Amino acid sequence: QKEVEQNSGPLSVPEGAIASLNCTYSDRGSQSFFWYRQYSGKSPELIMFIYSNGDKEDGRFTAQLNKASQYVSLLIRDSQPSDSATYLCAVKRFSSGNQFYFGTGTSLTVIP
Amino acid sequence: KAGVTQTPRYLIKTRGQQVTLSCSPISGHRSVSWYQQTPGQGLQFLFEYFSETQRNKGNFPGRFSGRQFSNSRSEMNVSTLELGDSALYLCASSQGVLSYEQYFGPGTRLTVT
Repeated sequence: QKEVEQNSGPLSVPEGAIASLNCTYSDRGSQSFFWYRQYSGKSPELIMFIYSNGDKEDGRFTAQLNKASQYVSLLIRDSQPSDSATYLCAVKRFSSGNQFYFGTGTSLTVIP
Repeated sequence: KAGVTQTPRYLIKTRGQQVTLSCSPISGHRSVSWYQQTPGQGLQFLFEYFSETQRNKGNFPGRFSGRQFSNSRSEMNVSTLELGDSALYLCASSQGVLSYEQYFGPGTRLTVT
């Protein structure tokens, strides 16, 4: 079983819609959860992280964490064509030091 | 504040050769991690260094090695290159082991022919 699983997509949404990206993780010891965005040919950039159950909002982005269900999601409101990218979910547990475990990413396309 | 820098950005090597990649973390960051990214496998953790000590190592063969210097700069070395080593090699830095945020450099694109 993979540490972090994501639907590879592609996910297509129209401009202005809400994009919902999902991620599950296998180790209940995971403590911090991250969403990265990676444009084609570029390196991943951190969008936001969450470590407590519930929602965390940052601008148009909302991360949601449900530790009981081992589930993390990222909502992108008012999606823009510039949001078209691959979104990587990552988890970290301090017992593994600074090691991040990444999913393979979900490809998002926002259609103008 | 300058971001993570990696050199070189692109490399072409032949099978059997060795290669050294360099990473300079964000100023003040002491933890450097290395990842290999390929289309099929995604981002895979290679190793992590903190204060010149390797703290974690991923599931890669011994041909992959690294080190960190006293100024937190890090290098990774791959010996006896194989075709399957063709990948984007990413370095990420963070302030310390318990830091939440990890920032990636632009990567080194290695092609083995």
